[in-house]
Amino acid sequence: AQKITQTQPGMFVQEKEAVTLDCTYDTSDQSYGLFWYKQPSSGEMIFLIYQGSYDEQNATEGRYSLNFQKARKSANLVISASQLGDSAMYFCAMREHYMGRRALTFGSGTRLQVQP
Amino acid sequence: NAGVTQTPKFQVLKTGQSMTLQCAQDMNHNSMYWYRQDPGMGLRLIYYSASEGTTDKGEVPNGYNVSRLNKREFSLRLESAAPSQTSVYFCASSDTVGGGDEKLFFGSGTQLSVL
Repeated sequence: AQKITQTQPGMFVQEKEAVTLDCTYDTSDQSYGLFWYKQPSSGEMIFLIYQGSYDEQNATEGRYSLNFQKARKSANLVISASQLGDSAMYFCAMREHYMGRRALTFGSGTRLQVQP
Repeated sequence: NAGVTQTPKFQVLKTGQSMTLQCAQDMNHNSMYWYRQDPGMGLRLIYYSASEGTTDKGEVPNGYNVSRLNKREFSLRLESAAPSQTSVYFCASSDTVGGGDEKLFFGSGTQLSVL
């Protein structure tokens, strides 16, 4: 079974508008962390934002926020005021803390294209 | 501020050839990882090393071996390359001091083609 599901292979958004990228996850652990990474066309992986399973408030980092709904097991990334430079692949990932695992499990990604 | 350095950046192999992908980090991280990225499948974990002297299989370890040479270096070896191993390979590292929020730092990737 997929641990991380990103159901939107591709998304379009107009410049300056907000966009939500969906991510659902599957785990039986009580303690876990959720991450979002950005991969521009140049290929590097850029960390955007982190949400811990026990964090009561949604994480925010500048124009990025994570809409964390624990009961629904979703961790959607919201990008406000989209910019042309936001065009990239976006990956949701999870770290399960069971037995001290440190590796991240990634979803298949969403390609975001910001249109002028 | 090199971070995670991978070599080579590009490589073309013939089926059956062997090669080693090198990775080094200068952030004094305990944990290191090798992922592969195939189109439409995100990143999949090949092997990881939680600390110097230990290695463990990830989701797709078949056809690969790894060596954690020291705290800085973690290499990935393809003993007999196959076309199915055509992929982009990423090395990453992370600290282990923390509550699980340690992010992974990635190298710039190796584009490997096996003909």
